Amino acid sequence: AQKITQTQPGMFVQEKEAVTLDCTYDTSDPSYGLFWYKQPSSGEMIFLIYQGSYDQQNATEGRYSLNFQKARKSANLVISASQLGDSAMYFCAMREDSGSARQLTFGSGTQLTVLP
Amino acid sequence: NAGVMQNPRHLVRRRGQEARLRCSPMKGHSHVYWYRQLPEEGLKFMVYLQKENIIDESGMPKERFSAEFPKEGPSILRIQQVVRGDSAAYFCASSRGIQGPHPQHFGDGTRLSIL
Repeated sequence: AQKITQTQPGMFVQEKEAVTLDCTYDTSDPSYGLFWYKQPSSGEMIFLIYQGSYDQQNATEGRYSLNFQKARKSANLVISASQLGDSAMYFCAMREDSGSARQLTFGSGTQLTVLP
Repeated sequence: NAGVMQNPRHLVRRRGQEARLRCSPMKGHSHVYWYRQLPEEGLKFMVYLQKENIIDESGMPKERFSAEFPKEGPSILRIQQVVRGDSAAYFCASSRGIQGPHPQHFGDGTRLSIL
């Protein structure tokens, strides 16, 4: 079974509008972290935001916020006031914090295009 | 603060040659991870190392691939006798910790092309 699912291969948003990128996850580990990364066309992976499974509040970092709904196992990324420079591939990832495994498991990504 | 440094950025090898990919973690980070990304896909975990120790290599092919993180110097991912299927982007990441708010920070990757 997929541990991280991103159901939107591509999304379009008008400049200055907000956009939500979906991510659902599957784990039986009570302790885990959820991450979003941005990969522009130049190829680097840029960390955006982190949410811990025990965090009571949704994480925010500037124009990025994470809509964390634990019961639904979803961790959607919200980008407010989109800019042309936000056009990129966005990956949701999970780290399970029990046991010895510490790797990130990535979704298949969402290609976001911001329209002028 | 320098980020994760990977080199080379691009590497071209012929089938059967060896490829060596280098990664210097961020200052203060003792945990290093290697991932592989095929075109149009997400990153797939290969190996997790701490200084002088391989902690988890469950994602690494059993043959031809090896990784090290010596006491001094960068982490090295080594691919022997490369084949066309090894063509991919290889990313290194590092973190300060392994639980809680300690994200993995990535280098710019090495794009490996096999002729």
